[in-house]
Amino acid sequence: SQKIEQNSEALNIQEGKTATLTCNYTNYSPAYLQWYRQDPGRGPVFLLLIRENEKEKRKERLKVTFDTTLKQSLFHITASQPADSATYLCALPFGSSNTGKLIFGQGTTLQVKP
Amino acid sequence: EAGVTQSPTHLIKTRGQQATLRCSPISGHTSVYWYQQALGLGLQFLLWYDEGEERNRGNFPPRFSGRQFPNYSSELNVNALELEDSALYLCASSIVSGGGTEAFFGQGTRLTVV
Repeated sequence: SQKIEQNSEALNIQEGKTATLTCNYTNYSPAYLQWYRQDPGRGPVFLLLIRENEKEKRKERLKVTFDTTLKQSLFHITASQPADSATYLCALPFGSSNTGKLIFGQGTTLQVKP
Repeated sequence: EAGVTQSPTHLIKTRGQQATLRCSPISGHTSVYWYQQALGLGLQFLLWYDEGEERNRGNFPPRFSGRQFPNYSSELNVNALELEDSALYLCASSIVSGGGTEAFFGQGTRLTVV
């Protein structure tokens, strides 16, 4: 069955450093992959979408890579700030890209210390 | 522009009762998605509605049901509540039917079953 794995352990880094989060998937060839940020008790907020024919995508301090051979996406936050502390979720479409269903990873909690 | 709105924010029900959760999508979005996020677990897809029709359903029992109204708002009903139904219920909408673009989430309804 389709499976998404994110590092379940919290990631603690110092302010100003680059945070790198990993999303691995199996039994799957998604047309795209998304990253969301979720703060405690709140709904996820969309950050970036990368398609299978894109290797890398950037938005301000965020960078996402998508390696369809390794079945892995890396999410980078450069010059991290305490305000970046949150849980980050990766999500892929279930089955074809038009089923309305996203499968989410469990998320990785990032803690940026001042 | 108003985002996705959900009501109520919190809901406390007794086991065996019924719960009704409401969602208003972003203006212009015809697709509404419902997700369940139980404590410590990832987001689990519940339902997808588009143009008033149920388009897809996750692995949940039939006591989870819903509908979409002509104005594209949606209602999620949970009958015969069980203790394990306690979770954050999230509604999302998208401008593209079924996926392929970002989903905008509401702040969620925290359902507690006692």
